[in-house]
Amino acid sequence: KAGVTQTPRYLIKTRGQQVTLSCSPISGHRSVSWYQQTPGQGLQFLFEYFSETQRNKGNFPGRFSGRQFSNSRSEMNVSTLELGDSALYLCASSAQGQGVHEQYFGPGTRLTVT
Amino acid sequence: AQRVTQPEKLLSVFKGAPVELKCNYSYSGSPELFWYVQYSRQRLQLLLRHISRESIKGFTADLNKGETSFHLKKPFAQEEDSAMYYCALGARGGADGLTFGKGTHLIIQP
Repeated sequence: KAGVTQTPRYLIKTRGQQVTLSCSPISGHRSVSWYQQTPGQGLQFLFEYFSETQRNKGNFPGRFSGRQFSNSRSEMNVSTLELGDSALYLCASSAQGQGVHEQYFGPGTRLTVT
Repeated sequence: AQRVTQPEKLLSVFKGAPVELKCNYSYSGSPELFWYVQYSRQRLQLLLRHISRESIKGFTADLNKGETSFHLKKPFAQEEDSAMYYCALGARGGADGLTFGKGTHLIIQP
């Protein structure tokens, strides 16, 4: 099976802009989680989607949002970008029944905000 | 609030020596504990979970609820073990996502 894919791999945006990141899970996986990774804070949970519904949400401001489509592909959106949003954004998918925490990670999208 | 602490940012050991990567957690409920690993230029991947109680690539980890620890151990380190190791905690049932420690960079010297 193909692994989790994320597009784009690299992105440069300006403060105040918005950005949309995309994640395609492993075929058959219905749960998609998003994480933000920074040198200072490490890996932090953003949110998780299952069957097009947000099931869990981390402690991030409302500028961070996401959605999941019927084919389980997911997007996350960050509006009004701030310099502190520069990070590696990781997507992970999980199959129902295996336990949501056995997650398979994508390569990440490196977002730089200038 | 749940928390995972990995006290060592960097751990350097010689090939053939024993390895122990420390992980302590704080959680009021019944946790699920995991170790994830990231080799150079590769994506983050699951190494092992406490429920399965298996040994992967020679690594084992035992959940000690009394000490709230989940240390990762290997009796004889190999050069290919060099990587970033992350301890992660999840609530049973999947609520709240995974909480990761800051990671330990393990370097195995020849």
